[in-house]
Amino acid sequence: ETGVTQTPRHLVMGMTNKKSLKCEQHLGHNAMYWYKQSAKKPLELMFVYNFKEQTENNSVPSRFSPECPNSSHLFLHLHTLQPEDSALYLCASSQVQASDYEQYFGPGTRLTVT
Amino acid sequence: GIQVEQSPPDLILQEGANSTLRCNFSDSVNNLQWFHQNPWGQLINLFYIPSGTKQNGRLSATTVATERYSLLYISSSQTTDSGVYFCAVERDDKIIFGKGTRLHILP
Repeated sequence: ETGVTQTPRHLVMGMTNKKSLKCEQHLGHNAMYWYKQSAKKPLELMFVYNFKEQTENNSVPSRFSPECPNSSHLFLHLHTLQPEDSALYLCASSQVQASDYEQYFGPGTRLTVT
Repeated sequence: GIQVEQSPPDLILQEGANSTLRCNFSDSVNNLQWFHQNPWGQLINLFYIPSGTKQNGRLSATTVATERYSLLYISSSQTTDSGVYFCAVERDDKIIFGKGTRLHILP
């Protein structure tokens, strides 16, 4: 596969469930990102990992827990979510060198919390 | 922080028409990207254009960094161009997206 892949593409979960979103990039990039896109809101940057180290956490609730085991994989672990967490979750990657931050996005996971 | 404003917020055009989408930003930035989000949510990278002009088929973009704006031109619109167009800027390792322009091309 090429580019950035995300699984699952759709997820319905109850508020007491625990699930994980997976992102994999096949571009040889060294930075990965999680974004949240809610209805009628701009894209919100949630987490940034550079060289597997978390460099940004934009005041995201602790019910969202990221994990970056290597520069190609990024997970978002979900537990005790709320209905307002229903959104499209997008993963992106980039090769961060000098001042280059060109991002490539995966297809997203559409999450519904019931 | 940097403010990113896109205009117009919504645009409805007939197939074959041309359009210009604008992205203004409130401070100097290191990088700027244009994306197209299709109706299925996929964000497609259109241009990486911190400055200057680029063209790719019917699409072109110009960023005038000194005046803090970027323009995306779409010529001879097709229904497949429908969706939301976002610009995103980067400065000090922070990436900020605009709210997007929703484009609807009528057949």
